[in-house]
Amino acid sequence: RKEVEQDPGPFNVPEGATVAFNCTYSNSASQSFFWYRQDCRKEPKLLMSVYSSGNEDGRFTAQLNRASQYISLLIRDSKLSDSATYLCVVKDSGAGSYQLTFGKGTKLSVIP
Amino acid sequence: EPEVTQTPSHQVTQMGQEVILRCVPISNHLYFYWYRQILGQKVEFLVSFYNNEISEKSEIFDDQFSVERPDGSNFTLKIRSTKLEDSAMYFCATSTGFNSPLHFGNGTRLTVT
Repeated sequence: RKEVEQDPGPFNVPEGATVAFNCTYSNSASQSFFWYRQDCRKEPKLLMSVYSSGNEDGRFTAQLNRASQYISLLIRDSKLSDSATYLCVVKDSGAGSYQLTFGKGTKLSVIP
Repeated sequence: EPEVTQTPSHQVTQMGQEVILRCVPISNHLYFYWYRQILGQKVEFLVSFYNNEISEKSEIFDDQFSVERPDGSNFTLKIRSTKLEDSAMYFCATSTGFNSPLHFGNGTRLTVT
């Protein structure tokens, strides 16, 4: 059974803080990795793809450690608008495998 | 920015009734998906659809579920005889390629009473 595990939180941080989320995945054959954010009762929205070499998009940095099957997301200088649930998402790229496996998400609340 | 649109936004139905959830994919996207999220739970894969046929389905997607693309634009999910446990948010998603990120629609909240 393919699993993606995340700390559910909540993480309550002040504005301007740096916060990090972690995620582990069980299927070593997984090939594509993403972070999505989901606001309450809304659809998941792609935040960023995660590449083997690590990647950065503004205040957001994602890292992948294939040996440990571990993905992380770092948010610097947190804004109130960052408050959301962050979903770790993994895709297996085996032949015929189209589905994404979602973690349950980590809830972030940024406090004024 | 192009969007995936879903209708209705909220559907209330009685147990045993049939429902059809509708999705209009982004125009140049070739891969279509349905996911669902029961309140408080994780997003779960139901089915993927490519080249006018189902390419993969999960254990959840049993004989009560079906998908089709009736007119080349809409992509629909039909539940033949709804159960209480079908109550969830249903998200349509589309992508340009097999390994491309998914773009999700705004969802249909299905309530089965």
